[in-house]
Amino acid sequence: GAVVSQHPSWVICKSGTSVKIECRSLDFQATTMFWYRQFPKQSLMLMATSNEGSKATYEQGVEKDKFLINHASLTLSTLTVTSAHPEDSSFYICSAPGQGLWEQYFGPGTRLTVT
Amino acid sequence: QQQVKQSPQSLIVQKGGISIINCAYENTAFDYFPWYQQFPGKGPALLIAIRPDVSEKKEGRFTISFNKSAKQFSLHIMDSQPGDSATYFCAGGVNQGGKLIFGQGTELSVKP
Repeated sequence: GAVVSQHPSWVICKSGTSVKIECRSLDFQATTMFWYRQFPKQSLMLMATSNEGSKATYEQGVEKDKFLINHASLTLSTLTVTSAHPEDSSFYICSAPGQGLWEQYFGPGTRLTVT
Repeated sequence: QQQVKQSPQSLIVQKGGISIINCAYENTAFDYFPWYQQFPGKGPALLIAIRPDVSEKKEGRFTISFNKSAKQFSLHIMDSQPGDSATYFCAGGVNQGGKLIFGQGTELSVKP
């Protein structure tokens, strides 16, 4: 199956700072990637759709100026949490459609803790 | 309606038993229904998926049953094993490679 990686796997930052999370498709190209947020014991909530070479599409209620998404290449999308606050602490997961297009493969997730 | 409703929230099954998780959807535009397995601290892993042109799909111990008219689908895990203990999510998707809308998740515990 297709492999999606994320970096870092966990990060701790201070309130008010920004943190960047990378999502890479390792053995395939992805013109589209998706970013999800998952709070403990809860489901995955779609935050935005990352489109290679164009602007991301954000879900209702997600602040686009706070969660900056860049999809600069066919294998890399980044999510930057700007001016992070403790309530942004969560598990951030990206996904990308595989070669078969129907299947979506998820990265291992990034645990963000804002102190 | 984009929601996918999943039940039960938690499930305890004895080793060797059958685990059954149900999902219902509203959006008739959904044309892809995957199930994901997630272990604590890990990303979800695709388990099995179905498209609405078939009523059942089986892969090993895992079977999806799909009822298009009722807008419901379910996951059956036969001969459940302690290693199956995880959280399971159903989802609905539209178009190839489109975004997925997830159910609330079911925490499965298989007792030895």
